[in-house]
Amino acid sequence: GEDVEQSLFLSVREGDSSVINCTYTDSSSTYLYWYKQEPGAGLQLLTYIFSNMDMKQDQRLTVLLNKKDKHLSLRIADTQTGDSAIYFCAEGGVKRGGNKLTFGTGTQLKVEL
Amino acid sequence: SQTIHQWPATLVQPVGSPLSLECTVEGTSNPNLYWYRQAAGRGLQLLFYSVGIGQISSEVPQNLSASRPQDRQFILSSKKLLLSDSGFYLCAWSAPGADYEQYFGPGTRLTVT
Repeated sequence: GEDVEQSLFLSVREGDSSVINCTYTDSSSTYLYWYKQEPGAGLQLLTYIFSNMDMKQDQRLTVLLNKKDKHLSLRIADTQTGDSAIYFCAEGGVKRGGNKLTFGTGTQLKVEL
Repeated sequence: SQTIHQWPATLVQPVGSPLSLECTVEGTSNPNLYWYRQAAGRGLQLLFYSVGIGQISSEVPQNLSASRPQDRQFILSSKKLLLSDSGFYLCAWSAPGADYEQYFGPGTRLTVT
């Protein structure tokens, strides 16, 4: 079945770049996503990339996709304390109706002063 | 603009009691709707999804059921709660034709005692 894996924790200093990595197994994934979850809150869609793209940039966020290795990364430039949160990688695509996402367990990003 | 609501925000229920969680979406028609559960340890699991009124697909056999009595209303229910039903329940929606963007509600924290 589908599986998405992420490392559990990442600690960076304010102003540095953060890179959060993710691997997935489903080669039929159409979209790859990054969601952000702050404590006690729902998930916020940060960005997503279509599977035929290698890179997507959106302000401080850069997503890289290596489809051959099934590897996705999220780079946050100039990381701020407000970026501290759990970041979820997810893969999806319309299968049997509806876009059912498979999530990783999340990476807790801690930004230190 | 579209908004998604969930209530209650938090709920404490004894084992064996019934459950009803509600999710509503505003500002869109005929959305695809999803229920996810986030158990301790942060992983999200898709429970149910619906592509229309009265159309419910179950992803994981369990103690829960879902219903969609109206176009923009999605309800998660149980007749008798188990301790293992504790978790953070998230509703999500996506627009038909733009199913690649899935947006989450604020969630309901359920504690079964």
